[in-house]
Amino acid sequence: AQKVTQAQTEISVVEKEDVTLDCVYETRDTTYYLFWYKQPPSGELVFLIRRNSFDEQNEISGRYSWNFQKSTSSFNFTITASQVVDSAVYFCALSEAGSGTYKYIFGTGTRLKVLA
Amino acid sequence: DTAVSQTPKYLVTQMGNDKSIKCEQNLGHDTMYWYKQDSKKFLKIMFSYNNKELIINETVPNRFSPKSPDKAHLNLHINSLELGDSAVYFCASSQGVQGRSDTQYFGPGTRLTVL
Repeated sequence: AQKVTQAQTEISVVEKEDVTLDCVYETRDTTYYLFWYKQPPSGELVFLIRRNSFDEQNEISGRYSWNFQKSTSSFNFTITASQVVDSAVYFCALSEAGSGTYKYIFGTGTRLKVLA
Repeated sequence: DTAVSQTPKYLVTQMGNDKSIKCEQNLGHDTMYWYKQDSKKFLKIMFSYNNKELIINETVPNRFSPKSPDKAHLNLHINSLELGDSAVYFCASSQGVQGRSDTQYFGPGTRLTVL
């Protein structure tokens, strides 16, 4: 069965620190997709990244980077030099291509607090 | 130029009432979804339509009925509201290409409070 685990419920860091948010997934499909979304205090869900199971290259976008490792079924998200505006709940999600329904299975989210 | 919009943003109502939430997307996507986010921030899929056809219907009370008049709209009607229905409801859309999970773009959410 498909499952996404975000074991860190809440993380607090001081501004300018680096922080890594963990995401571990379970799936039996060989083709699947992983996503990260940000939910700031205003409540909307903002798309950050999509990665398919055949692309294990790490990705960097400004201060954000993602490390995808199929061997450990993990898709971790690192924020470098964190800022107060990074304070949000971050969700990891999994979608299996074989399901034919495109539905996401979300993790329970990690609340990140960046203190000034 | 809002991509996925929902109305209303806030909805406060009494137990037993019937209410609707509307969703519209202007992205030209074929697939739309409804998710429920509970008080612990847990997000769960409820329904999905692809080109006006229901493709996902999770274990949701039949008091909840989605309606898709066209592929740009997916409304959610809730009958006989209960306290436990209080949550934030998100609409989303994606391209919905067969065999591929495209990025879903979410609306701003509708906070439903049942008193």
